[in-house]
Parts: sequence; C-alpha cells; structure tokens
Amino acid sequence: DTGVSQDPRHKITKRGQNVTFRCDPISEHNRLYWYRQTLGQGPEFLTYFQNEAQLEKSRLLSDRFSAERPKGSFSTLEIQRTEQGDSAMYLCASTQGNNEKLFFGSGTQLSVL
Amino acid sequence: GEDVEQSLFLSVREGDSSVINCTYTDSSSTYLYWYKQEPGAGLQLLTYIFSNMDMKQDQRLTVLLNKKDKHLSLRIADTQTGDSAIYFCAESQGYSTLTFGKGTMLLVSP
Repeated sequence: DTGVSQDPRHKITKRGQNVTFRCDPISEHNRLYWYRQTLGQGPEFLTYFQNEAQLEKSRLLSDRFSAERPKGSFSTLEIQRTEQGDSAMYLCASTQGNNEKLFFGSGTQLSVL
Repeated sequence: GEDVEQSLFLSVREGDSSVINCTYTDSSSTYLYWYKQEPGAGLQLLTYIFSNMDMKQDQRLTVLLNKKDKHLSLRIADTQTGDSAIYFCAESQGYSTLTFGKGTMLLVSP
C-alpha cells in the first residue's frame, strides 16, 4: 500500500491524558498536512510541513498541540492534557512539490471520555 | 461566516444524474476541489479545477465553475449506489491549505 498511512485508526483516552498520532506520507512527498474533522463538519486545517520545517499553523492549534516531522518523512501530532472537545477525526495528507493534489489518509478517530 | 457553503443532502435514483452545488466567498481562490468521503474513511480526491477554467470532465464527473458568481458544481452522470457518500467542496489559494465546506450527503436509491 503506497497511500498515506495513519496510526492508530482509533484512540480512546481519558480527559487529561496525552495522546500521540503518527502519519506516514506517500514516499517522496515533501509536503505534509494535518487536518481535524468533527462530526458533521468538513476538515479544518491545523498545520503544514515542507520537509522538516513547520511552515504554517492554524489558530485551532492551541499550545496543547504539537506536531513534528523530524526527518522530513513521517510526522507525529501530540495532544497534551486532552479535553472532550478534542474528540475528532485527525486526518493527515501529503503531496509533492507544486502539485496541488492532496492525498489523505484514513485518519485517526480520537474519543476523549 | 463560512467560506465554503454546500447544501447538506441530496437524494437521487440509480441511473439519474446528480448535481452537487457549492459556493465560496474568497475571490482569490486558485484551486477548487471535490472530495468524496465514505463512512469511517478518509477523503478521496475526485477532481479539481484551476480557477481560470470553467469546465472539466473526467469520465462520469463534470465540474462547472462560474468564477463571477463563485459557484462550483459537480455533476455525476449515471449515478450508482456506490456513489452514496459525503461530497466535500474545497478551495485553496495554493500550497494545498484547503478550506472545506460541511459536505453534501448523497444518497442513491435503487
């Protein structure tokens, strides 16, 4: 499978716990994006990497959220001290160069109890 | 207010054409996209159109763009039950930071 891979597919956690998600983009894709999708809504942009550099962050990305892409390949998204409002599908997407076709993974569904 | 708006629901019979409409507000939108999402799945890119085009056709899919009215539509010819899904319209000014609508649920009945 050469698509965007996300792990885990589902995560259930208690309020106040930290969680970390991983995204493996399509091989050689240098741009990587994180989006969040809540029930009944379209995805909302969180942050964007070009190689290892985090170039843009949305206002949605509070200080409890941190994303990294240390070697310019896979990326992690960590949420500290989770809140019930963090419950959502977290989607990763990637593309290459100036290509405007963005390919999405299947997402990680987070439920905060 | 919302940057991208779509009607929430469309129901058609198998074999009919479906037309899903979208309006956007940002006149500097450069690319406009249609994505499909099936239950529990990520988003599948169906097609996209550059803002200097007014039409794009790809097999059963036809995208029409009226830039003056900021209106985008997706027509699916010969709609099948497998086309039942949520369809998202999205716009970007480049570098793929997309703004999505809330999605249109398409229900295709036999």
